[in-house]
Amino acid sequence: EAGVAQSPRYKIIEKRQSVAFWCNPISGHATLYWYQQILGQGPKLLIQFQNNGVVDDSQLPKDRFSAERLKGVDSTLKIQPAKLEDSAVYLCASSLASGNQPQHFGDGTRLSIL
Amino acid sequence: SQQGEEDPQALSIQEGENATMNCSYKTSINNLQWYRQNSGRGLVHLILIRSNEREKHSGRLRVTLDTSKKSSSLLITASRAADTASYFCATAGPNNDMRFGAGTRLTVKP
Repeated sequence: EAGVAQSPRYKIIEKRQSVAFWCNPISGHATLYWYQQILGQGPKLLIQFQNNGVVDDSQLPKDRFSAERLKGVDSTLKIQPAKLEDSAVYLCASSLASGNQPQHFGDGTRLSIL
Repeated sequence: SQQGEEDPQALSIQEGENATMNCSYKTSINNLQWYRQNSGRGLVHLILIRSNEREKHSGRLRVTLDTSKKSSSLLITASRAADTASYFCATAGPNNDMRFGAGTRLTVKP
């Protein structure tokens, strides 16, 4: 089966600019996650979708970050405006359902803020 | 906030030796999962252990869970150079909210 697809692979922007990331989960996976991974740290959950509804966005900086999952399949994560501390790898993962299911990760988008 | 905390932060061993990594957490969980991450790549799922299980095996991997101590361990037996990676534990809380630890960086020398 095809894995989780993410694009772009790399992105370099200046602070205060906007950026968007795209994720296509594994077909049939109801749950989709976005994580932020700062160098040397573990992934931090930003938002979790169950189909097209939000399950957990308690750690999403809502003043600048937004995410949507149209039709319960693909998802986009947007940052507007970007800050220097947003430099990180943004990982997307999906699972068949939430709870007692392994997550399948994409290779992430490495974001650098100048 | 991060839920799990791995120990040690870094571990260096020789090929053929066993590697043990520990994970401690703070609140009740539905399950605990271990993942591996090679440099520049996404995470790969290794093992999921439910809160009512105490031990699971998968190939050269052995995971234990002690809910009374809120801790888990991952044992990799007969390590290989290809096992060099970062290893993370992740906890699924009562609402299936996922939290990862900071990871253990394992280096296996040939």
